[in-house]
Amino acid sequence: DTGVSQDPRHKITKRGQNVTFRCDPISEHNRLYWYRQTLGQGPEFLTYFQNEAQLEKSRLLSDRFSAERPKGSFSTLEIQRTEQGDSAMYLCASRWDVYGYTFGSGTRLTVV
Amino acid sequence: KNEVEQSPQNLTAQEGEFITINCSYSVGISALHWLQQHPGGGIVSLFMLSSGKKKHGRLIATINIQEKHSSLHITASHPRDSAVYICAAPNRDDKIIFGKGTRLHILP
Repeated sequence: DTGVSQDPRHKITKRGQNVTFRCDPISEHNRLYWYRQTLGQGPEFLTYFQNEAQLEKSRLLSDRFSAERPKGSFSTLEIQRTEQGDSAMYLCASRWDVYGYTFGSGTRLTVV
Repeated sequence: KNEVEQSPQNLTAQEGEFITINCSYSVGISALHWLQQHPGGGIVSLFMLSSGKKKHGRLIATINIQEKHSSLHITASHPRDSAVYICAAPNRDDKIIFGKGTRLHILP
């Protein structure tokens, strides 16, 4: 197991297009988190899952955003009708109960 | 006030200098993380620590649980150390709270 992997690493899309990112956590980790980092800021919480259940969503996650973790393993984050303000680094992290987090390297989205 | 505060926000130093980045937190934590992010790059986890001190190469991280304070030190700094360094800790709601990062620039 090589850690948390995110795909793609970089995505450039035209405004109005839909995009989907994937996060594969460490296999034993039951909790999975999505964060967004805009330029010059620290990452901000978007949502998290315990197994397949989405336990919390931030107000940052507008109706155009949806996240799933259908089998409690990998997760996807979809953004519909992208806007330039969606340009950011999307970061995934996972953990098992009280142990520390493992971070993915992120997906950098650029909306042109 | 952010639950995780870092200082300084920006730091420029000459190659070879000893670097210290500080992180203070107001949340109860099980472990604190130090992360590194190069310009245009992804996030790399440097350390996870819940007590004492950890060392990896030229990087040293310390934490004082009673004072709710952690430091990241870089010895014999090098231009390739130029990056944003972020500390992060989970709060009581089990969400990771990130500091805003310290932008480090090492001049050759």
